[in-house]
Amino acid sequence: KNEVEQSPQNLTAQEGEFITINCSYSVGISALHWLQQHPGGGIVSLFMLSSGKKKHGRLIATINIQEKHSSLHITASHPRDSAVYICAVRGVHGGATNKLIFGTGTLLAVQP
Amino acid sequence: NAGVTQTPKFQVLKTGQSMTLQCAQDMNHEYMSWYRQDPGMGLRLIHYSVGAGITDQGEVPNGYNVSRSTTEDFPLRLLSAAPSQTSVYFCASSYGHGSGEQYFGPGTRLTVT
Repeated sequence: KNEVEQSPQNLTAQEGEFITINCSYSVGISALHWLQQHPGGGIVSLFMLSSGKKKHGRLIATINIQEKHSSLHITASHPRDSAVYICAVRGVHGGATNKLIFGTGTLLAVQP
Repeated sequence: NAGVTQTPKFQVLKTGQSMTLQCAQDMNHEYMSWYRQDPGMGLRLIHYSVGAGITDQGEVPNGYNVSRSTTEDFPLRLLSAAPSQTSVYFCASSYGHGSGEQYFGPGTRLTVT
């Protein structure tokens, strides 16, 4: 079983819909990252969080440390949000503090 | 600031050839790392560095060498390319010892035939 699991793997939405992508992890962490990767493109950091909730524009990220779970929400989705969304966690023990463990990503397609 | 830059963007190698993927950052970040991205798998750490002169192995280091002679540059060397090294390679950097926000380069798509 992967240490970081994302769901769903693929998601198709209509423009304007509210979208939720989930990330569950099985290790103790010091931080969780949400990343965005456009097709054929580079990777951009969206959020880094260790507790609570963060908001940036139409994007909201939440984390529940006790349940080892995080969600990424997109409000009023737009075709330009189409991308792969990647969850990554950084562990708390020894050398692992420098190492990120990545999920396999959620491919989001927003149709006009 | 250019951020994190990588060259080349695309490369085709024959089995057994060697090459160096270049990575540079202009943000004075101490921490730099190399990942490979393969279909159906999460990004996997190849090597990382917490500062000039200091490197360490990641999850999948075999077949790759790194060095860190300056804060800015972190090249990745393929010693003898194999088809299993066909992948997209990303360099990343962050402040501190990797505890901060990660900044990724645009990636290098490598094909080994």
